Amino acid sequence: GAVVSQHPSRVICKSGTSVKIECRSLDFQATTMFWYRQFPKKSLMLMATSNEGSKATYEQGVEKDKFLINHASLTLSTLTVTSAHPEDSSFYICSASSRLTGGGSNQPQHFGDGTRLSIL
Amino acid sequence: GNSVTQMEGPVTLSEEAFLTINCTYTATGYPSLFWYVQYPGEGLQLLLKATKADDKGSNKGFEATYRKETTSFHLEKGSVQVSDSAVYFCALSGKSGSSNTGKLIFGQGTTLQVKP
Repeated sequence: GAVVSQHPSRVICKSGTSVKIECRSLDFQATTMFWYRQFPKKSLMLMATSNEGSKATYEQGVEKDKFLINHASLTLSTLTVTSAHPEDSSFYICSASSRLTGGGSNQPQHFGDGTRLSIL
Repeated sequence: GNSVTQMEGPVTLSEEAFLTINCTYTATGYPSLFWYVQYPGEGLQLLLKATKADDKGSNKGFEATYRKETTSFHLEKGSVQVSDSAVYFCALSGKSGSSNTGKLIFGQGTTLQVKP
């Protein structure tokens, strides 16, 4: 089945550091990637939708200058948390869908294993 | 707007017990419905899905039926195992006008603990 690889799986860094998280689709072309944030014991909150070759669409309340998203190719999207602070500590998860997997509302997204970000 | 509501957890069961996790939704039109499972420290895996009313999704002994009249998509399994211990998320994917958005809206998740 479709596989999405997310890297790194865990990051611990000092306050003020910028952190980049990569999301790769390994066996399909991901025309759309989604970035979620999950707080402990809480559901996933969609942060932004990333379409290859165009600017990401951010959900209300998500700072686009804080969470930079780049989707430069059909297999790679990156999320950069700029000048991270302790309140940015969270579990970040990406997912991907494509024309081949159907896209649209009736096809599942394929999820990465997540990145646990801890800011000291 | 669209939303998903799941039963509060955690749900604690003994092995081989019957499982039900309730999920209800609010949506315009005819969304697709999904159950995802998240094992500790991992991302989400699709468990099953249903795309129209009265569809039944099933996988690994789990089942859920798309009930439009009650706007529900309850997850059931006849006999749970310790390995089923995880967090289960109900989700919907809807439409905006005539376009498929592909966006998933998740319920809050229900933790299942199965004891031997």
